[in-house]
Amino acid sequence: EVQLVESGGGLVQPGGSLRLSCAASGFIVTNNDMSWVRQAPGKGLEWVSIVHTGGRTYYADSVKGRFTISRDNSKNTLYLQMNSLRAEDTAVYYCAREAFLAPAGPLDYWGQGTLVTVSS
Amino acid sequence: DIQMTQSPSSLSASVGDRVTITCRASQAISNYLAWYQQKPGKVPKLLIYAASTLQSGVPSRFSGSGSGTDFTLTISSLQPEDVATYYCQKYNSAPRTFGQGTKVEIK
Repeated sequence: EVQLVESGGGLVQPGGSLRLSCAASGFIVTNNDMSWVRQAPGKGLEWVSIVHTGGRTYYADSVKGRFTISRDNSKNTLYLQMNSLRAEDTAVYYCAREAFLAPAGPLDYWGQGTLVTVSS
Repeated sequence: DIQMTQSPSSLSASVGDRVTITCRASQAISNYLAWYQQKPGKVPKLLIYAASTLQSGVPSRFSGSGSGTDFTLTISSLQPEDVATYYCQKYNSAPRTFGQGTKVEIK
């Protein structure tokens, strides 16, 4: 059974850093493109970042230069390193797996989300 | 970047009604379009991908159509459990932009 479990969220001051983790089971993270999606309180879904199977990464303009997506094959875990955090980064962060469909697939499995609050 | 625009932003319909939500891409995206359902307080769920392919386990009252820039999600007979916000997403390339969402309520 495919499962994604996020952790690492919490309260952080503006300008601070946080690293989110997404532990995967039931599949190997390097075999699928993996994304982070966030949702600010009461708002819609916002795509944040993707790491492709080959290792290429892409970011939304709103986080480019501040966030870094990565994965650890040995731990079968996806990460999102978030630096220089701003109040507008406050959101529930979801990791999600892209279905293995050539050349690209929709997000077929989602984690339960982890809340990041940026506030002083 | 390609923008995704959904309409309407919200709607209210009666049980049994046919409901249609549209999603427009600012540039052609072929059929790389997915629809998600997010019930209040829940995680988004994939309903339709490749514009018209129903995800396994999704009721057949949901259907999708379109290609290029204009797409539609249809609920053929609205049920109380369909109360949710629906999002389209392009996935042909990064950024994998979402539409702003359409909130569906029961009248």
